[in-house]
Amino acid sequence: DAKTTQPPSMDCAEGRAANLPCNHSTISGNEYVYWYRQIHSQGPQYIIHGLKNNETNEMASLIITEDRKSSTLILPHATLRDTAVYYCIVRVDNNAGNMLTFGGGTRLMVKP
Amino acid sequence: DAGITQSPRHKVTETGTPVTLRCHQTENHRYMYWYRQDPGHGLRLIHYSYGVKDTDKGEVSDGYSVSRSKTEDFLLTLESATSSQTSVYFCAIRRDNTNYGYTFGSGTRLTVV
Repeated sequence: DAKTTQPPSMDCAEGRAANLPCNHSTISGNEYVYWYRQIHSQGPQYIIHGLKNNETNEMASLIITEDRKSSTLILPHATLRDTAVYYCIVRVDNNAGNMLTFGGGTRLMVKP
Repeated sequence: DAGITQSPRHKVTETGTPVTLRCHQTENHRYMYWYRQDPGHGLRLIHYSYGVKDTDKGEVSDGYSVSRSKTEDFLLTLESATSSQTSVYFCAIRRDNTNYGYTFGSGTRLTVV
């Protein structure tokens, strides 16, 4: 699976959009981009994933560049409860049981 | 949480003693995983299972064994606990027939003294 690069930490004001970048310049054509987050002391939680099109769900939006070498997770109106470590993961999706490989992630601090 | 439970939630044990952590799922998914999480290392895969009696090693498998005698339970055993195995352990399941459905348990905090 391709490796990812994320900034170690970011701050965001409550109510503003949080934009979390991820570089995955070695991504292969069949690798998806996944985002998970981990709130303190809890297990990681799935947020969103995509292949090449932008995606949106009730939690966030995922913007993937046309060349797929980078992506941005957008939390449109960050709240204090969004303070967490956010992990960007790229992996091939198949039924061979490929496990998730976590990097260091970005520690997002949402401030009042 | 979403059909996956870990037990115990907290455990303190002495160096050299055996310890078994349990991961239980209620949804009969095929794939189950054990991760450990330590400061500065993020989550690292210990072992995983792709079916009853089918298991394989992950990134940091030394000192750990696993067993899966039935679909719903995936056990992680530390045969002789060491202080370096003090960690938070997370179990995860991959929901069959979806391409995003990894669900994690709430974790087990293990302290080896």
